[in-house]
Amino acid sequence: ETGVTQTPRHLVMGMTNKKSLKCEQHLGHNAMYWYKQSAKKPLELMFVYNFKEQTENNSVPSRFSPECPNSSHLFLHLHTLQPEDSALYLCASSQEPGLGAYNEQFFGPGTRLTVL
Amino acid sequence: KQEVTQIPAALSVPEGENLVLNCSFTDSAIYNLQWFRQDPGKGLTSLLLIQSSQREQTSGRLNASLDKSSGRSTLYIAASQPGDSATYLCAVMMQGGSEKLVFGKGTKLTVNP
Repeated sequence: ETGVTQTPRHLVMGMTNKKSLKCEQHLGHNAMYWYKQSAKKPLELMFVYNFKEQTENNSVPSRFSPECPNSSHLFLHLHTLQPEDSALYLCASSQEPGLGAYNEQFFGPGTRLTVL
Repeated sequence: KQEVTQIPAALSVPEGENLVLNCSFTDSAIYNLQWFRQDPGKGLTSLLLIQSSQREQTSGRLNASLDKSSGRSTLYIAASQPGDSATYLCAVMMQGGSEKLVFGKGTKLTVNP
């Protein structure tokens, strides 16, 4: 297990539900990331936060709403999802952008989301 | 747009065999290349990270090489064991911006006892 934790590990929700995924890093990092891993597709970057500010949104639908209250916590709020949103959602953290090659990302265990 | 390709998509070998996994990328403007291991339903474990200025990195039975000019990397696993069975992902860190990682689809390795 790494210094990045995610809860819950598994989540089943209906299309009308609202739920949230939580990520916490204990590494003293300043950048946090959400990735989506669908079956048969590469891991896709969704959002990037640096020092609590969102710096990248990779054309993610508005039914996914991220929140970063501080550098240690990252949330992904979910509402009115579709079955095709079922995937493994991974959180990662890194020291901070600008370090280039030394800005290594460390990943959490992921949340397996199933939308019925 | 950076594209990362991993070949083969799946590989099955008998225990004890040496094997090579391949990764190629289309844009050489990278800071580094990283190999990860992913067990079913689990997160990513970093295996090796090669800086763009380096040619290879070694850790135990693993050796990764990088040829940035040709856009290729290989992961060599010596004396494979059943515990090596997993999906191996290759990712490159793009220069500039948020220094994001771009991943390949992975190679699913099965080592048979």
